[in-house]
Amino acid sequence: NAGVTQTPKFRVLKTGQSMTLLCAQDMNHEYMYWYRQDPGMGLRLIHYSVGEGTTAKGEVPDGYNVSRLKKQNFLLGLESAAPSQTSVYFCASSWSGGGDEQYFGPGTRLTVT
Amino acid sequence: RKEVEQDPGPFNVPEGATVAFNCTYSNSASQSFFWYRQDCRKEPKLLMSVYSSGNEDGRFTAQLNRASQYISLLIRDSKLSDSATYLCVSKGGARKLIWGLGTSLAVNP
Repeated sequence: NAGVTQTPKFRVLKTGQSMTLLCAQDMNHEYMYWYRQDPGMGLRLIHYSVGEGTTAKGEVPDGYNVSRLKKQNFLLGLESAAPSQTSVYFCASSWSGGGDEQYFGPGTRLTVT
Repeated sequence: RKEVEQDPGPFNVPEGATVAFNCTYSNSASQSFFWYRQDCRKEPKLLMSVYSSGNEDGRFTAQLNRASQYISLLIRDSKLSDSATYLCVSKGGARKLIWGLGTSLAVNP
């Protein structure tokens, strides 16, 4: 039981490049989330999903797209990376959105130069 | 005003000390609260939920004060391994958690 895994762990992009971050969970959770964490800003929700095939915008969705084609996977895409997207990205999952514990992946450290 | 506010610290305490953190929230309709722990360069992990009646888990005690809109975390007999950032979280609405910026704790030998 691996819990929540994220790939890659580290990545350096040049401005304008694109990439996809992959999140996978093996706990059969319905809800999945993408956060970014920046110094002085805390955790901010980018997008989330309440089930396979669904996605919704969070607090800071601009510049990101997501897809949840399979229940266990939640992908975060950056179409044209900008230096402002330099951050640590965390994926999380939970049974429901009703206050259940969120389980986090180990994070992806992204630098955009 | 931020929806969830915490003193960033750092709190520097010796081993064995008792330390308490408070966290204030602005949305009086918030129903659920949590404390998460985040080690340096690691992911957040749930430490404990905060119930209206308060709850205790070993050396950790969490309290909720709805009248004054704050929650607290008390750590007794601090260990070196308690050094981390403690994140206060409230459930802000359907499917949404509101995260504080965290309080940094350093337990010194």
